[in-house]
Amino acid sequence: GAGVSQSPSNKVTEKGKDVELRCDPISGHTALYWYRQSLGQGLEFLIYFQGNSAPDKSGLPSDRFSAERTGGSVSTLTIQRTQQEDSAVYLCASSLAPSIGGRGENEKLFFGSGTQLSVL
Amino acid sequence: LAKITQPISMDSYEGQEVNITCSHNNIATNDYITWYQQFPSQGPRFIIQGYKTKVTNEVASLFIPADRKSSTLSLPRVSLSDTAVYYCLVPNQAGTALIFGKGTTLSVSS
Repeated sequence: GAGVSQSPSNKVTEKGKDVELRCDPISGHTALYWYRQSLGQGLEFLIYFQGNSAPDKSGLPSDRFSAERTGGSVSTLTIQRTQQEDSAVYLCASSLAPSIGGRGENEKLFFGSGTQLSVL
Repeated sequence: LAKITQPISMDSYEGQEVNITCSHNNIATNDYITWYQQFPSQGPRFIIQGYKTKVTNEVASLFIPADRKSSTLSLPRVSLSDTAVYYCLVPNQAGTALIFGKGTTLSVSS
């Protein structure tokens, strides 16, 4: 596709349920990121995938959060036993290469429009 | 660990120049500083990045002093369509991802 695609665009769930959020990155982009944006807040880094390397999970807020990236392309962010504080917009981004090239110039991140998650 | 500080909001009028300053102490020696723009219900999009001194593109200029502890995004002659949230980004401590500041909401009035 022309851009990063995320689905669903909106998800309403009940507290305690599991949810899966999907991200289709731009074709050819090796790096993929998940961020979370709570109401009125900036973006919080969650997880980063680069090629076949082990993902950087340092931003995941709890063990209820996990993500995988199959075949180096599509990624799924899973939230188990959702809580009300999980309500936020979950944004996915991809880039041609790691966003930080040896701590030099950064690759541009291309973001999807996000999934608005509401936990009731 | 780099801490990012930027003003929460700014107001301007059409045609004025807007300067948004971000503080980012303790960034690593080789880290670049990047700025993104976000409109409501959209993901952020890249504006400009730089390492030191001044960088200019068709959208904005970025000024970075010698100590690199801050950077200033300059938007020339803003229009109503520049109303958005502007984020300053620097790499995280591990150097694996870009960390966003809280963002500056710019409101441009006619």
